[in-house]
Amino acid sequence: SAVISQKPSRDICQRGTSLTIQCQVDSQVTMMFWYRQQPGQSLTLIATANQGSEATYESGFVIDKFPISRPNLTFSTLTVSNMSPEDSSIYLCSVEPHGSGRDSEQFFGPGTRLTVL
Amino acid sequence: SQKIEQNSEALNIQEGKTATLTCNYTNYSPAYLQWYRQDPGRGPVFLLLIRENEKEKRKERLKVTFDTTLKQSLFHITASQPADSATYLCALGGFKTIFGAGTRLFVKA
Repeated sequence: SAVISQKPSRDICQRGTSLTIQCQVDSQVTMMFWYRQQPGQSLTLIATANQGSEATYESGFVIDKFPISRPNLTFSTLTVSNMSPEDSSIYLCSVEPHGSGRDSEQFFGPGTRLTVL
Repeated sequence: SQKIEQNSEALNIQEGKTATLTCNYTNYSPAYLQWYRQDPGRGPVFLLLIRENEKEKRKERLKVTFDTTLKQSLFHITASQPADSATYLCALGGFKTIFGAGTRLFVKA
């Protein structure tokens, strides 16, 4: 298993500002994932972050808007840049500690609830 | 494009009964299917994984079936308890994992 913490747990931000969300895992993992979950909606994958390489972004998400850092095997950050009210959502990080193809369950952090005014 | 459908209407059942949740999908051939539980204000928690060559899997009061012909999974909670009240998400796994929007379950005492 993996225990994941996120900071902040919630924030209220002004339009046009940026927020950096931190994700810390209690064990070393190769891949970390960042998701967005809007009320009543499914989790939408933003990007996959591998240590030592650029993050891979899903369709509809770009690095300028959601820059990601992955400085080591236990930590990652997601920045939501130049925020607008449409960015209001819950942002979740997750890991697959066993790697895909085996017990590919994901472990999720508690999420960061972002409200943009 | 891939699509996952879970009943958007909440499921209300009486304590002690069996809850059955449905997950249907199209345009995808998953290598496995997962079920997660999500409580308000928290991240999803993994419950069960079933592979494409498995028909059924059980874990305590939970049972999952996987019909790749019908492209459907059923998730059962037997002897349901109020503590089982939560949102249950299905997720298709393979090249990438795709999540459904979830079904809210309310178990009344």
